[in-house]
Amino acid sequence: GQNIDQPTEMTATEGAIVQINCTYQTSGFNGLFWYQQHAGEAPTFLSYNVLDGLEEKGRFSSFLSRSKGYSYLLLKELQMKDSASYLCAVVDSNYQLIWGAGTKLIIKP
Amino acid sequence: GAVVSQHPSWVICKSGTSVKIECRSLDFQATTMFWYRQFPKQSLMLMATSNEGSKATYEQGVEKDKFLINHASLTLSTLTVTSAHPEDSSFYICSARNLASSYNEQFFGPGTRLTVL
Repeated sequence: GQNIDQPTEMTATEGAIVQINCTYQTSGFNGLFWYQQHAGEAPTFLSYNVLDGLEEKGRFSSFLSRSKGYSYLLLKELQMKDSASYLCAVVDSNYQLIWGAGTKLIIKP
Repeated sequence: GAVVSQHPSWVICKSGTSVKIECRSLDFQATTMFWYRQFPKQSLMLMATSNEGSKATYEQGVEKDKFLINHASLTLSTLTVTSAHPEDSSFYICSARNLASSYNEQFFGPGTRLTVL
């Protein structure tokens, strides 16, 4: 079966750095997305990785290792507005998105 | 670019009535649109994949006769919840895949909160 694992909840302090991990086992791989979802709102696109390595975009970076079936989202200089759920999603061989359950990130002052 | 709208943003209805939700891609064409349902504190659950000009593909456990999907054009898909019941109360979100995007990402609408009394 297809499986995406990410921690259910994480807590971090304002101004700090946090890394949210995602491991996956899917039938084929055509890329991995990270989405941010604030409570009561729809998800918004953060990043896309299809090749191994680190993609940096401002305070957010995303890393992929296809051989390990592993990705992480790195958030730097955390702000209170970063409190949200972060969803990992993998595109499988049929170009369907397989979603993780999401990681709820709580930022404390 | 890549804006998706949904209408209505929220709806309250009586049990037994039908509710139609519209999903539009405003500035791009989308041959494929997706309908998700999300219950409180849970992740997105894909209900169906909607392809322009053809029948929708429903996920296992989703009743196609209860959740009617029509994708009549490259910019519009509709979801009709027929004979809604309180257990259908949820947050319904559509997304659209941009034909022109090399990323294959999905752009999400703002969601529709349905409450069935």
